[in-house]
Amino acid sequence: AQSVTQLGSHVSVSEGALVLLRCNYSSSVPPYLFWYVQYPNQGLQLLLKYTTGATLVKGINGFEAEFKKSETSFHLTKPSAHMSDAAEYFCAVRLTPGGGADGLTFGKGTHLIIQP
Amino acid sequence: EAGVTQFPSHSVIEKGQTVTLRCDPISGHDNLYWYRRVMGKEIKFLLHFVKESKQDESGMPNNRFLAERTGGTYSTLKVQPAELEDSGVYFCASSPGGTGSYGYTFGSGTRLTVV
Repeated sequence: AQSVTQLGSHVSVSEGALVLLRCNYSSSVPPYLFWYVQYPNQGLQLLLKYTTGATLVKGINGFEAEFKKSETSFHLTKPSAHMSDAAEYFCAVRLTPGGGADGLTFGKGTHLIIQP
Repeated sequence: EAGVTQFPSHSVIEKGQTVTLRCDPISGHDNLYWYRRVMGKEIKFLLHFVKESKQDESGMPNNRFLAERTGGTYSTLKVQPAELEDSGVYFCASSPGGTGSYGYTFGSGTRLTVV
């Protein structure tokens, strides 16, 4: 069975500072990896995903994430935080086809707080 | 294109009552998923439809929950009878493929409160 760990339920950064949200996963087979964002009173929006190919993935709104198989990590970064980035962020993993259950396994989420 | 639509957005019901949640996926998306987030917990997978067939319902908590997808279009999730622990946000997602390589588009969710 797979699991996802997001370090820190709340992360606070200053506007303009680097954003780093950590995600580690456990999986017996190579996974597909996702980051979703949820703004207040909205649904989940896909930020980026890794399936195959290049391990550095660029997403929307200036976010990117790097799949590191040796560290079983998929940390999300953004060079310069903006006030509009304040939201809850979810890391999720899906086993590759044939590897088990069809659904996504989510981490508990990280609230990103931007200080002016 | 229109996104994934869920309604109602909020529902407050008494313990023992029945509630039906509806999800309209993106047109042409054969794969439809239901998830639930109980307060303070992670988002949990409930089940997966491919067209009108249940592909994986391993996450359904018990037999008080019944999901259907008529004609492979919209889906409903019925909770009967509702219990206090059923409170949470129910998300629906759809995808053109079932492997995840296309990503999943989520709806805004239905917040269910059982009192």
